[in-house]
Amino acid sequence: ELKVEQNPLFLSMQEGKNYTIYCNYSTTSDRLYWYRQDPGKSLESLFVLLSNGAVKQEGRLMASLDTKARLSTLHITAAVHDLSATYFCAVATYPGSQGNLIFGKGTKLSVKP
Amino acid sequence: DAGITQSPRHKVTETGTPVTLRCHQTENHRYMYWYRQDPGHGLRLIHYSYGVKDTDKGEVSDGYSVSRSKTEDFLLTLESATSSQTSVYFCAISDRTSSNQPQHFGDGTRLSIL
Repeated sequence: ELKVEQNPLFLSMQEGKNYTIYCNYSTTSDRLYWYRQDPGKSLESLFVLLSNGAVKQEGRLMASLDTKARLSTLHITAAVHDLSATYFCAVATYPGSQGNLIFGKGTKLSVKP
Repeated sequence: DAGITQSPRHKVTETGTPVTLRCHQTENHRYMYWYRQDPGHGLRLIHYSYGVKDTDKGEVSDGYSVSRSKTEDFLLTLESATSSQTSVYFCAISDRTSSNQPQHFGDGTRLSIL
């Protein structure tokens, strides 16, 4: 059974600082997704990571995937208040396009001035 | 934004009553999903559909049923609502013909069962 663990679950950062959110998963998978959720809102897709060594960047966020270590990271560079949100990773349950997603519990990020 | 509409957006009802939530999409995507989101649990899959009249159970399907009579609509029914089903329910859609496409989510339905 696939399990997905994110850490930390809560993260309070100062503006301008860097930090990394980790997403570990327990069984082989070939697809990992990162989502952002603002309070009371829907989930917004940030990144799709499909292969070992994949790296994607958008603004101050960079996501990477190491399928051998079963680990993905979401790195935040020079945080700003607008990045305050909850971030979820989600992993496909088995290789191939037919797998469903298992979500981590989310990391609630608060960026303070 | 993906064309996904959930209705109702908010509902308060009593224990033991039936409740139906609707998800409507305009993207003609084959796959549709129902999740529930609870504090400390992230999102958990309830049921999903891979085509008209084709559905399957997810991680937390007990107490829920679904139906999909047309591509654009996916209904989630709580036959006899319980307080443990108080949650925020999200519908999602995906076009899994391409693995680099994420699931797209609706705005959610906040359901309170008293």
